[in-house]
Amino acid sequence: EVQLVESGGGLVQPGGSLRLSCTASGFTFTTHDMHWVRLATGKGLEWVSTIGIADDTSYPGSVKGRFTVSRENAKNSLYLQMNSLRAGDTAVYYCARGLRGSTFDYWGQGTLVTVSS
Amino acid sequence: QSALTQPASVSGSPGQSITISCTGTSSDVGSYNLVSWYQHHPGKAPKLMIYEVTKRPSGVANRFSGSKSGNTASLTISGLQAEDEADYYCCSHAVFSTWVFGGGTKLTVL
Repeated sequence: EVQLVESGGGLVQPGGSLRLSCTASGFTFTTHDMHWVRLATGKGLEWVSTIGIADDTSYPGSVKGRFTVSRENAKNSLYLQMNSLRAGDTAVYYCARGLRGSTFDYWGQGTLVTVSS
Repeated sequence: QSALTQPASVSGSPGQSITISCTGTSSDVGSYNLVSWYQHHPGKAPKLMIYEVTKRPSGVANRFSGSKSGNTASLTISGLQAEDEADYYCCSHAVFSTWVFGGGTKLTVL
C-alpha cells in the first residue's frame, strides 16, 4: 500500500524558515517524480514544487528562490526547505507521488504550516 | 500562471448527473492532454479521480468521467451519491514544466 506521511509543520514567524519532510513507503521511491502541493484556507490547491528522478526541480514563481525541494532516496524521503516565509505561505502542505509525468496519483494527509507573529 | 477557473459550487440530487467545468488557456489545458481531477474531503488526503483527461484509476467508480474541448475540461458525475459530496479540483500540466490547479468546486448532494 502506497503511504506518504508529512511532518515538520508548525508555527513560524514571518521571515523565518521551516523544513518539511515526507516519508514514503509501499512503492519504489527512486522511480517516481515527487511533488509538494499546498492548500490555504479559502483558496484552491497550489502546486509548490517538483523533483524528478534525476533530481531536476521546478517551482512556481510564488516560491522560486525561497523554497528548495530535495530527496534522499536511501531514506525514501522528500523534503521542502522553506525560507523567508510570509503570511501568504500559511497552508496545509501535501506531498504527492508523480505518475509518469502525467498526474499526482497518491497524496499524504498534509502538514499545517502557519506563518504568523 | 493563473489558476484554472472552476465554478465555486454545484449541487444535485441523488441519482442525478452533474458536470464541473475547468477553463484554462492555450498554455495549459488547451495544449496538454494532462488534465486531472481530484476529490477532497476536508481533513483527508486528496484522491485522484481522473487523469490524462479521461482515464480512471483502478478503484474509481465508472460514474466519474472526464472530457476536454479546447481550453475547457469537464468532470461529469452520474448517479450522484451522498458520498460524492466533497470539493473537486482540476489540474493541468502547463508550459515550462509547471502545474496549475483550479480554485476548486464544492459539490453538494441535496
